[in-house]
Amino acid sequence: GNSVTQMEGPVTLSEEAFLTINCTYTATGYPSLFWYVQYPGEGLQLLLKATKADDKGSNKGFEATYRKETTSFHLEKGSVQVSDSAVYFCALSENNNDMRFGAGTRLTVKP
Amino acid sequence: NAGVMQNPRHLVRRRGQEARLRCSPMKGHSHVYWYRQLPEEGLKFMVYLQKENIIDESGMPKERFSAEFPKEGPSILRIQQVVRGDSAAYFCASSPKGLIYEQYFGPGTRLTVT
Repeated sequence: GNSVTQMEGPVTLSEEAFLTINCTYTATGYPSLFWYVQYPGEGLQLLLKATKADDKGSNKGFEATYRKETTSFHLEKGSVQVSDSAVYFCALSENNNDMRFGAGTRLTVKP
Repeated sequence: NAGVMQNPRHLVRRRGQEARLRCSPMKGHSHVYWYRQLPEEGLKFMVYLQKENIIDESGMPKERFSAEFPKEGPSILRIQQVVRGDSAAYFCASSPKGLIYEQYFGPGTRLTVT
């Protein structure tokens, strides 16, 4: 079945450091891929998405490229801020009824 | 425009009691999804509903769990005879057109079974 595996956390970085959170997926077809962010005490928010191979999703300085050859969708940001501290979820969806989430990676950015 | 509302935010139940979790979708949204997040795990899809219809309940446990989304009022996730293993965060999301990637999440209800 479809599944998502993402890098275990927690991840702790200093402000302005480079961020990578790895995400790989298993799917039978051609899923859409997503990154969601959950700030403390809030629900998940869509951060970015990519719907086909080689697409790059980007938002708020975050980027992820849909790599079919490596079945990956790694999240990157060149310079993190304290306000980026949150839990990040990689997810995939192959139809409109179902979305599979990774376990989440907690990021803490220190000033 | 208010976001997705869930209440209560925290719910404590003893084993064997019933838990009712409510979700009010965003205005104009007629599609609701429920997810469960167990400690240290990702979100797991439970059920997808439209007004008065269950579209997909493939993620719902076969017993004790039920969900509804009536014509009027919030969507309800009901757990009967709760057990310790039901302790989790339950998230609701809504979307305007049934496109799952347009879903907006609520803040969640944290259920603790003692």
